[in-house]
Amino acid sequence: QKEVEQDPGPLSVPEGAIVSLNCTYSNSAFQYFMWYRQYSRKGPELLMYTYSSGNKEDGRFTAQVDKSSKYISLFIRDSQPSDSATYLCAMKNFNKFYFGSGTKLNVKP
Amino acid sequence: DAGVIQSPRHEVTEMGQEVTLRCKPISGHDYLFWYRQTMMRGLELLIYFNNNVPIDDSGMPEDRFSAKMPNASFSTLKIQPSEPRDSAVYFCASSLGLASDTQYFGPGTRLTVL
Repeated sequence: QKEVEQDPGPLSVPEGAIVSLNCTYSNSAFQYFMWYRQYSRKGPELLMYTYSSGNKEDGRFTAQVDKSSKYISLFIRDSQPSDSATYLCAMKNFNKFYFGSGTKLNVKP
Repeated sequence: DAGVIQSPRHEVTEMGQEVTLRCKPISGHDYLFWYRQTMMRGLELLIYFNNNVPIDDSGMPEDRFSAKMPNASFSTLKIQPSEPRDSAVYFCASSLGLASDTQYFGPGTRLTVL
């Protein structure tokens, strides 16, 4: 079983839709939870990170962590075509980072 | 700052050849990471350095892979001999710290081994 599981998609939505991206994990020792966005042929860039359970909001993006269920989510409100990218979740345990395989999102105009 | 710089951006080589990938981290960052990304396995951490010292190389797949960081502004990842299954995009990233600090990724090197 992989440490971090993420549905690869692709996920296709119309512009303005609310998008929900999710990851599950198996290691309860993970402390930091991150979401990266990766445009085609580019390196990943950090969108948000959270520490412990709860919600964190940044503009149209909300990151949610449920440690009891080992489940994290990223919500994108009012999605835009410019949000079309691959979204990777990532988690940190001590000195190690673990990445999900990424969900490809396509927002249609 | 120019961000993390990687070279070459694309590399095509034949099986058995030596491949050297290069990375210049962001100035002042103490941590440097090498990742490999494939469709099958996603993004995998290969090795990371702190203040030029390798801290964790448990992700390095085999002895054919080696990484060095001779100084704070330069690192290399070498594959010798290369094999077709090494074909992937290799990313270098750097960060100020390790806890919650953002990792800044370079543009990657797309390696194809024929």
